[in-house]
Formats: sequence, C-alpha cells, structure tokens
Amino acid sequence: EAQVTQNPRYLITVTGKKLTVTCSQNMNHEYMSWYRQDPGLGLRQIYYSMNVEVTDKGDVPEGYKVSRKEKRNFPLILESPSPNQTSLYFCASSAGLAGYNEQFFGPGTRLTVL
Amino acid sequence: GENVGLHLPTLSVQEGDNSIINCAYSNSASDYFIWYKQESGKGPQFIIDIRSNMDKRQGQRVTVLLNKTVKHLSLQIAATQPGDSAVYFCAEIGYQGAQKLVFGQGTRLTINP
Repeated sequence: EAQVTQNPRYLITVTGKKLTVTCSQNMNHEYMSWYRQDPGLGLRQIYYSMNVEVTDKGDVPEGYKVSRKEKRNFPLILESPSPNQTSLYFCASSAGLAGYNEQFFGPGTRLTVL
Repeated sequence: GENVGLHLPTLSVQEGDNSIINCAYSNSASDYFIWYKQESGKGPQFIIDIRSNMDKRQGQRVTVLLNKTVKHLSLQIAATQPGDSAVYFCAEIGYQGAQKLVFGQGTRLTINP
C-alpha cells in the first residue's frame, strides 16, 4: 500500500530534550515536506526537500532541522524543543514539486512540549 | 504578504444538500490550485485541482470553480453525505514558486442528518 508513515504518532516531552520525528514514504517520491498545523493558522511549511541531500526552509523553520540522506526518509529534528513547538506535525511527499503534484500526507504526529 | 484565506470558517448543511466552500487567494501569479480534505485525526487528502487556464473542473460529486478576476476559488460538493464532514483547505503556489504550497486556514463542513 502506497503510504507515508510517521513515528511516533503522539509524543509528550520536556523543554530542551532533543527529539526526532521520523517520516518514510514507499512511493519513490522525490519531494518531501514537513508542515505544522495550529488552530487558526492552517498548515505551515517547516522544511522541504526536492531530492536526496537537497533541503530548504519553508515558512517556519526556526527551531527545526531536517536531513535527507535517503530518498524514502525525511526526519524532523528538534534539537531543543520549546513549548511553542507544541503542535500537530505532518509529513508529506509527492512525485515532483508540491505546486504541481498531489501531495500525500502522513497521519500526523501530535507533539506536546512541557 | 501571502494569504490564502476562506470566507467562512464553518459551514453546516443538511445531508443531501449541495455545499459550497469558498476561498480567496492573493498570489495573482499562481497557476495551480488544490483542494484538500482533512477528516478528524487524519492527514489532509487531495480532492481536486485546477490550473489557471481553466475556470471549472469537475470530479466525482465535486466541482472547483476559479475566478481569476477576483482571485476566488470555490469547491462545490453535490448531494453531501455524512462522510463529507471534514475540514477543507484550499492551497495555491506561493510567491516563491512551485516548490511550495500555501494553505488557507480551512473551513469545517458539518453534515446534519
């Protein structure tokens, strides 16, 4: 089954404790992206990657890091989480540029930073 | 700045009625628009898209209308069903180009039995 998977689905952590949210897709997609979703603000892009070893900032990259060492994986790293990073996070992938291709979204990761 | 917004944050309709969800966009250069549906507890799911060289596109029970003159996009859902209850987002290509989508805030559609 073609899908985007994220782990963990739920995470409660404390300020400053490094964490990684994994994202993996099995569709051989070149483009991958991370979004955060907050009430009243919709989906905002954090980082995106157009191919292996190619990543770029989205609208809200502060406090986040990403890497794209393999085509299928695109982990999101929070080196020192803060309470304002409490949010619902979605990973997405598409065959090409997000603007012209259907994005497939993962099920989401709900993160709470205390 | 970039703004993809919605006229109504919530919409309630009777089952079987038609629904119209509206969206205003600000990037007049955007040439591609998409509607996503997000059910509770799930990630957004693609519904339908439209390119700027079209003013109407139909799918299964859904129609998207594009009015470039007033920078307005709408999603029409025919004969709504309980499974249509969800949040609907419009999205457009941002000012930075096709590597990035800008999403609206979303409209919550509730279907009343």
